[in-house]
Amino acid sequence: QKEVEQDPGPLSVPEGAIVSLNCTYSNSAFQYFMWYRQYSRKGPELLMYTYSSGNKEDGRFTAQVDKSSKYISLFIRDSQPSDSATYLCAMWTDSSYKLIFGSGTRLLVRP
Amino acid sequence: GAVVSQHPSWVICKSGTSVKIECRSLDFQATTMFWYRQFPKQSLMLMATSNEGSKATYEQGVEKDKFLINHASLTLSTLTVTSAHPEDSSFYICSARDIGQGGNSPLHFGNGTRLTVT
Repeated sequence: QKEVEQDPGPLSVPEGAIVSLNCTYSNSAFQYFMWYRQYSRKGPELLMYTYSSGNKEDGRFTAQVDKSSKYISLFIRDSQPSDSATYLCAMWTDSSYKLIFGSGTRLLVRP
Repeated sequence: GAVVSQHPSWVICKSGTSVKIECRSLDFQATTMFWYRQFPKQSLMLMATSNEGSKATYEQGVEKDKFLINHASLTLSTLTVTSAHPEDSSFYICSARDIGQGGNSPLHFGNGTRLTVT
């Protein structure tokens, strides 16, 4: 079993829809959680960074962490075609330098 | 802020030659940089951790003599793929953490280098 599980998609939604992207993990020691967006042939771009459980909002993006369920989510409101990309969740513990990535979910927002 | 520049973005080389990839943190200092490899439609796999002024730490299964890493300054790390073979063709991405933001600040990534070995 992988440490971080993420549905690869693709997830196809119409423009303006609310998108929900999720990851589950097995290591309860993970405390820092990130969401990255990666366009084709580009490096990952940091979208959200959260510590421990709770919600964080930044513009159209909301990150949620539920440590009791080992489940994290990224919500995108009013999705745009420019949001079409692969979204990677990533996490690490307080004591490890190694960032563990999910496999990424491909999102397609149709005009 | 927190820009990581990677060069070149794309390189084609012949089998048996060596290729050097540069990773620079443009507006912050990084004692540690990380090198990843990504195959098509797959996630990032950590290859090695580059430490300024000391030897790199390689992940299990990564040949240190093939993938030479040098972290010469707080803003520059290089990855040299030596005696490249077609199976080394991949997307290589570096990342860095701003030491001014603390030990648990997030990683910032370069735009990657697509290496094709013919």
